[in-house]
Amino acid sequence: DTAVSQTPKYLVTQMGNDKSIKCEQNLGHDTMYWYKQDSKKFLKIMFSYNNKELIINETVPNRFSPKSPDKAHLNLHINSLELGDSAVYFCASSQGSGVTEAFFGQGTRLTVV
Amino acid sequence: GQNIDQPTEMTATEGAIVQINCTYQTSGFNGLFWYQQHAGEAPTFLSYNVLDGLEEKGRFSSFLSRSKGYSYLLLKELQMKDSASYLCAVRDSNYQLIWGAGTKLIIKP
Repeated sequence: DTAVSQTPKYLVTQMGNDKSIKCEQNLGHDTMYWYKQDSKKFLKIMFSYNNKELIINETVPNRFSPKSPDKAHLNLHINSLELGDSAVYFCASSQGSGVTEAFFGQGTRLTVV
Repeated sequence: GQNIDQPTEMTATEGAIVQINCTYQTSGFNGLFWYQQHAGEAPTFLSYNVLDGLEEKGRFSSFLSRSKGYSYLLLKELQMKDSASYLCAVRDSNYQLIWGAGTKLIIKP
């Protein structure tokens, strides 16, 4: 069974388009995250979300928005895509904001042309 | 600002031992994680340190010194499959993970 799954794995789209990446976890975790890994390989937190609180990295443009229909899902919507949005996006989950490790999805490679 | 430093790349020989260092400056400390990431794949958890000292888990060990803001990951009996990037991450006072850029480890026969 896949613990954290995200779709699609690859996404190629044109500038200006709006796209979504879906994420689901079956671990029963109560906190989910979106990370961006750019060409320099830094993993940067974009959002962390549990049923109580959404924490947004202030450097993330408001074109990016998380949507959580329920505790097991955290989708990422991106409006008006730009070339600089090209990166690998990882969804992850953990139990609470405590000391447990995060489990990652397989990543979505987004290419904006 | 918050910062995690790791060497960009290291090379080691199959069967040998390698130590990957990580230094950090963060606002508060609530634990340090090491993750392994093979090319094109997701990071996977390797180890966690919150108290000073050495944590051993099979061929992998991780050390932490909070007073020095320093950790290392020690890999013994290197295998070709250990070729990957190794990411150091620190959980800060807000329980947010701050990530290093990772160390690409190349294993040669």
